Amino acid sequence: AQTVTQSQPEMSVQEAETVTLSCTYDTSESDYYLFWYKQPPSRQMILVIRQEAYKQQNATENRFSVNFQKAAKSFSLKISDSQLGDAAMYFCAYRSDAGGTSYGKLTFGQGTILTVHP
Amino acid sequence: GAGVSQTPSNKVTEKGKYVELRCDPISGHTALYWYRQSLGQGPEFLIYFQGTGAADDSGLPNDRFFAVRPEGSVSTLKIQRTERGDSAVYLCASSPRSRVERGSPVYNEQFFGPGTRLTVL
Repeated sequence: AQTVTQSQPEMSVQEAETVTLSCTYDTSESDYYLFWYKQPPSRQMILVIRQEAYKQQNATENRFSVNFQKAAKSFSLKISDSQLGDAAMYFCAYRSDAGGTSYGKLTFGQGTILTVHP
Repeated sequence: GAGVSQTPSNKVTEKGKYVELRCDPISGHTALYWYRQSLGQGPEFLIYFQGTGAADDSGLPNDRFFAVRPEGSVSTLKIQRTERGDSAVYLCASSPRSRVERGSPVYNEQFFGPGTRLTVL
């Protein structure tokens, strides 16, 4: 079974600064996706960024970028120019792409609460 | 053009009672997922539907939990004889289909609803 670990329960950053959230995962599969989701107090889970494991290039999405280290099974999220609206719980998630009946389901980490100080 | 909707938004019930939680996916999405999120934790997979059938129910914790999707659209998660440990936020997500081919320009994102917060007293 796959596991996802976020070792930082809480992080804080000053507005306009950069912060990095850490995530490691364990899998024996070679084909998979990794994601970062944002969950504000409204509970709505919002996709921030995704990474296909077969792609070597790190994904970027505006102020959000990832550092994907496949051999180390590490997948960190960097938020640049942090804004007050970035404050939320952030979840790292894994999704198998190996086929079978379990493909599609997401395995989440425990989450990191991000606080942005003005 | 609405997103995934879930009703009720909040549900308070007494231990031992039966509850139903409803999920309305985005129109046309064939894949539907239920997750449970306990306080301060990440969501945990419960069950996945492809069309009307449950393709993977390995995450259901026990036989008190059951889910249906009779017409391939709306899904209902049913919990019998509720226990205090069932208290959590129940999230539903839908996606256009369960899988796309590698390299496809179409990405199969899961869109989440706002969840139902279930409190068992």
